Amino acid sequence: DTEVTQTPKHLVMGMTNKKSLKCEQHMGHRAMYWYKQKAKKPPELMFVYSYEKLSINESVPSRFSPECPNSSLLNLHLHALQPEDSALYLCASTERAQGNTEAFFGQGTRLTVV
Amino acid sequence: DQQVKQNSPSLSVQEGRISILNCDYTNSMFDYFLWYKKYPAEGPTFLISISSIKDKNEDGRFTVFLNKSAKHLSLHIVPSQPGDSAVYFCAASPNAGNMLTFGGGTRLMVKP
Repeated sequence: DTEVTQTPKHLVMGMTNKKSLKCEQHMGHRAMYWYKQKAKKPPELMFVYSYEKLSINESVPSRFSPECPNSSLLNLHLHALQPEDSALYLCASTERAQGNTEAFFGQGTRLTVV
Repeated sequence: DQQVKQNSPSLSVQEGRISILNCDYTNSMFDYFLWYKKYPAEGPTFLISISSIKDKNEDGRFTVFLNKSAKHLSLHIVPSQPGDSAVYFCAASPNAGNMLTFGGGTRLMVKP
């Protein structure tokens, strides 16, 4: 099983809403990531969790709040987003945070902020 | 400052011929390189990778070549098939971790 599952697939939210994106993997991977991809751009790293601890925050605004409840789950809590935050949000996992190993990506959540 | 660059935004090849996708990088800390295939509104799918201690890695129809001195890598697909039509991203990670820096992508179109 090399699957990373993200829910929901699509999300439309207003600027005053609070919503959460969810990501799950059962490969026993100990590092999980959030990436953001704007239209016609490459994915860009937002956060890295290693052994359920936040290890990297790429200067992401506080309206994005990650959470790793256990080694299989990764959430991204959204609050007071702006229309420019509309993008495809991708979750990924790797076997470990260091040492060369490929990342497996979920299908992504297409977020639209209105 | 783009640390990973794919200078060809698109590439069109005939079915059965070779597709060659190129990627350049600037950061000497990168030591692991990956190619991903992506369809619209889907997550990237891992294709093949290469460590900086190698200069070639092959997996079926896919071969990746790495030229460390030139900071250049390429993906060869032989023979190309219509199902290979997608956007291909080159990505790199440093020896300090597995977070990826992606190139801008190359849209490959394989014509029947």
